[in-house]
Amino acid sequence: GQNIDQPTEMTATEGAIVQINCTYQTSGFNGLFWYQQHAGEAPTFLSYNVLDGLEEKGRFSSFLSRSKGYSYLLLKELQMKDSASYLCAVRAYNAGNMLTFGGGTRLMVKP
Amino acid sequence: GAGVSQSPSNKVTEKGKDVELRCDPISGHTALYWYRQRLGQGLEFLIYFQGNSAPDKSGLPSDRFSAERTGESVSTLTIQRTQQEDSAVYLCASSSAAYPLAERGETQYFGPGTRLLVL
Repeated sequence: GQNIDQPTEMTATEGAIVQINCTYQTSGFNGLFWYQQHAGEAPTFLSYNVLDGLEEKGRFSSFLSRSKGYSYLLLKELQMKDSASYLCAVRAYNAGNMLTFGGGTRLMVKP
Repeated sequence: GAGVSQSPSNKVTEKGKDVELRCDPISGHTALYWYRQRLGQGLEFLIYFQGNSAPDKSGLPSDRFSAERTGESVSTLTIQRTQQEDSAVYLCASSSAAYPLAERGETQYFGPGTRLLVL
């Protein structure tokens, strides 16, 4: 099975940069996803990493190190609307196309 | 429709009653997933359908839970003899990718969920 850990809560200031970490233990790693979930809404896809390195997409970037079982989501120029939960999810060869989700990190952006 | 739809959006039921939740995936998506999300917690995998293959039921918490899917379309999740601990948001997701198309970063698209409250 997979074990995924991420902080429960984080607080940051509008305009700042925040890094949300995710560590995982899995066999047959086959990709790591980040989702954003606003309160009361469904998760929406943010990013995907399968190779080591940084994937940049506008204000959001995601990094992966497969040897360390580690990823982070970097949010720049924080806006109030970025207040949400951020879910890390891992896919593994031995689990088909299924994703195993972490518990999510609730980010609060303050003025 | 353009996205995954679920019905009902909210369901309040009494302990011991059966409930049926419905999911309409994105047209053409072969994979369909059900998750449960308790208040303030992460997503808990329940069941996975892929095309005509036997579903992966490894996440179903008890034999009170069952799900069906007709071909590559609608799925229903049934909870029998509901308990208060079944109260949660039940999310359905679909994706177009069959394993192993991970290199395309095929993702899952989530429906809005059904909020179930068992009194």
